Amino acid sequence: LAKTTQPISMDSYEGQEVNITCSHNNIATNDYITWYQQFPSQGPRFIIQGYKTKVTNEVASLFIPADRKSSTLSLPRVSLSDTAVYYCLVGALSGGYQKVTFGTGTKLQVIP
Amino acid sequence: GAVVSQHPSWVICKSGTSVKIECRSLDFQATTMFWYRQFPKQSLMLMATSNEGSKATYEQGVEKDKFLINHASLTLSTLTVTSAHPEDSSFYICSARGQGSIGYTFGSGTRLTVV
Repeated sequence: LAKTTQPISMDSYEGQEVNITCSHNNIATNDYITWYQQFPSQGPRFIIQGYKTKVTNEVASLFIPADRKSSTLSLPRVSLSDTAVYYCLVGALSGGYQKVTFGTGTKLQVIP
Repeated sequence: GAVVSQHPSWVICKSGTSVKIECRSLDFQATTMFWYRQFPKQSLMLMATSNEGSKATYEQGVEKDKFLINHASLTLSTLTVTSAHPEDSSFYICSARGQGSIGYTFGSGTRLTVV
């Protein structure tokens, strides 16, 4: 399983764009990159997933360079409700279910 | 989308008693579910992989006799914390992935407090 490294914490003011980068140097060819959000005392919630280049949905964008050794989650115009811990996970989707292990995550604090 | 229902959301029990936590996939079948434990201000730690109709696979350091996992149907997995002690107090979370779903769906978690 590819190990991930993220900043422990980040602060941002409301309305700003936030970029959280995750390193996954030993990512395998069939691994996808998935980001989750977790609020206190809740289970993680899926945000976005990608394999390469750029993926965008209604809440975030995911940028993955050609070598796929890192990825960046971009949250546009954050609000106070985006204060949470964000986890980057790497793993394969094919070949049955693969266990998912979590790294340290990044605690994002949005400041008014 | 895929929904995983976890109950109870919180439980307080006396030391030495057992507590059962249920995890149900509501609109999909889950042959595999995962159980995690999370201590305050820490990340999720995978405890075990629950397989329908067979024995669970436990991560290193997790006592299988203390954390009993049963996955008797394609929609239900249970985690029983036996002879609970205060050090077992934690946030327990289950997850599963439905066929064709992107990513894993997590339950809302169970806050266990052993007094």
